[in-house]
Amino acid sequence: GESVGLHLPTLSVQEGDNSIINCAYSNSASDYFIWYKQESGKGPQFIIDIRSNMDKRQGQRVTVLLNKTVKHLSLQIAATQPGDSAVYFCAEGWGNNRLAFGKGNQVVVIP
Amino acid sequence: GAVVSQHPSWVICKSGTSVKIECRSLDFQATTMFWYRQFPKQSLMLMATSNEGSKATYEQGVEKDKFLINHASLTLSTLTVTSAHPEDSSFYICSARGPPGQTLEQYFGPGTRLTVT
Repeated sequence: GESVGLHLPTLSVQEGDNSIINCAYSNSASDYFIWYKQESGKGPQFIIDIRSNMDKRQGQRVTVLLNKTVKHLSLQIAATQPGDSAVYFCAEGWGNNRLAFGKGNQVVVIP
Repeated sequence: GAVVSQHPSWVICKSGTSVKIECRSLDFQATTMFWYRQFPKQSLMLMATSNEGSKATYEQGVEKDKFLINHASLTLSTLTVTSAHPEDSSFYICSARGPPGQTLEQYFGPGTRLTVT
């Protein structure tokens, strides 16, 4: 059922600053990782992915870093904009393409 | 880009009734679709993997007789919540895999908000 009073970790960032969102994953056998953005009442939106044989990948205004030694993933958003306000999830995937989602981080951009 | 739609976007039903949610891939064929549920301020939890032309694979703890999945075509998967109860109220989201070998991405639908009264 629903969890009353559950709060997501929240990152408040000034518009124009860079944001860093972190994620710890559990499965050392994961083949790839994906970052998703979810706005309230909507489905997740793909941001960027990275395969397990890479440690860095860049997209438009976003960079994903993968540290397999400590099972850590991060998403960097450059020049954060109000439209970046959302919940961000990391997800890890493997062979049969099932995805396991992390807990989510709320990003609030302050104008 | 690949688009996945869901219908309805929200539904209210009475306890004990059944509700069917549709997931469609609009501009690509999806041999595999996934169904998730999400409670407020929580993550997405995978319920089942829907394979076209075969039985769905359910995650541990998900009742297959409660959540009926049918994937009768390459563009449509349906989730039926049978004998719904208030604890089934949730946000149900489907996703579809992109073309194998071309992308890792799963394309997500906009979700369906189910409220059981």
